[in-house]
Amino acid sequence: DAGVIQSPRHEVTEMGQEVTLRCKPISGHNSLFWYRQTMMRGLELLIYFNNNVPIDDSGMPEDRFSAKMPNASFSTLKIQPSEPRDSAVYFCASSFSNSGANVLTFGAGSRLTVL
Amino acid sequence: AQSVTQLDSQVPVFEEAPVELRCNYSSSVSVYLFWYVQYPNQGLQLLLKYLSGSTLVKGINGFEAEFNKSQTSFHLRKPSVHISDTAEYFCAAVMEYGNKLVFGAGTILRVKS
Repeated sequence: DAGVIQSPRHEVTEMGQEVTLRCKPISGHNSLFWYRQTMMRGLELLIYFNNNVPIDDSGMPEDRFSAKMPNASFSTLKIQPSEPRDSAVYFCASSFSNSGANVLTFGAGSRLTVL
Repeated sequence: AQSVTQLDSQVPVFEEAPVELRCNYSSSVSVYLFWYVQYPNQGLQLLLKYLSGSTLVKGINGFEAEFNKSQTSFHLRKPSVHISDTAEYFCAAVMEYGNKLVFGAGTILRVKS
């Protein structure tokens, strides 16, 4: 298995531009998570999906952020318009969620720099 | 609400010395506990997990952790560290039957020769 695949690995953009980050979870996993990592705030859960349905988006900072999961093998996190304070590493993770513990497998991350 | 506290932001240690990275959690219900490691410019990799059973959990790379319910702790230990163990280590918790994995702030382990 190739693991959780994220793209792009690095993105540099200018303030006001739209940014789309992509994630392909591990095949067979039914839960998908988007995290943001910054020096100041550490790892923050932005949103997670179960069976392609958004379950908890309370971590999404504001309306400029949106996430979709149109099918079991693909998710996007979009920022429109982007701002310099959105600069961070964005991680996608997936897991197989059953009645037991949820062990997450993380992608390598997408490093976003907004100038 | 649950939270995870990592008591040390950085731990410097010499090669071949033992190390302990501390983690405490707070939750009113049973939790599952994890340690993840992040090497520079990489994603997070699972080191070990406690779900149930034996309170001493062994993970990859010679690491182990002990779940202590009375002290609500899940400290990570290694008897002899290597230069290659230099990384950031994250403790995390999820409520039993829950989905939301909450991370601590991380501890940077710096192994010196």
